[in-house]
Amino acid sequence: KQEVTQIPAALSVPEGENLVLNCSFTDSAIYNLQWFRQDPGKGLTSLLLIQSSQREQTSGRLNASLDKSSGRSTLYIAASQPGDSATYLCAVITGGGNKLTFGTGTQLKVEL
Amino acid sequence: GAGVSQSPSNKVTEKGKDVELRCDPISGHTALYWYRQSLGQGLEFLIYFQGNSAPDKSGLPSDRFSAERTGGSVSTLTIQRTQQEDSAVYLCASSLGQVNTEAFFGQGTRLTVV
Repeated sequence: KQEVTQIPAALSVPEGENLVLNCSFTDSAIYNLQWFRQDPGKGLTSLLLIQSSQREQTSGRLNASLDKSSGRSTLYIAASQPGDSATYLCAVITGGGNKLTFGTGTQLKVEL
Repeated sequence: GAGVSQSPSNKVTEKGKDVELRCDPISGHTALYWYRQSLGQGLEFLIYFQGNSAPDKSGLPSDRFSAERTGGSVSTLTIQRTQQEDSAVYLCASSLGQVNTEAFFGQGTRLTVV
């Protein structure tokens, strides 16, 4: 059974810092990994999708990497801003089924 | 529509009543997912539809929960005889259906059972 873990559970940083969020998964037979953000009381917004054959994806200040063999992904946020404050979730699709298995998230707060 | 649409956005119901939650996926998306997010908890998979295939119902927590998808588009999640522990945000997502495509979520329905 696929299990997804995110560390840290919560993170508080001053504005302008670069930061890294971590995601690990137990079954490396994944099809893809997707990063989302969730604002309080809202749904999930897709940030980046990395297919299993890819090593990284970039969108603006965000860069996600994938090391499938070691079961890890990182989300790098450059020059953090208060508007980046949200919960960040990673999810994987594993062979044998198409459902997304989610991590428990990292709650990020970027302070002025 | 431009995105996944869910209705209602909020629903308060009395214990024991039945509720129906609606999801309109992105046009052309063949895959549709329902998830549940309880307060302070992670996302719990409920059910997955893909085209005309039999749905994956492995996440439904009890036989009080059911879902259907009519005409391969709109989906309805029904909870019968609601209990207080059913209180949660119910999230719907859709995708193009291939395993390497992005999933897009709606804003969710917040269900409160009193």
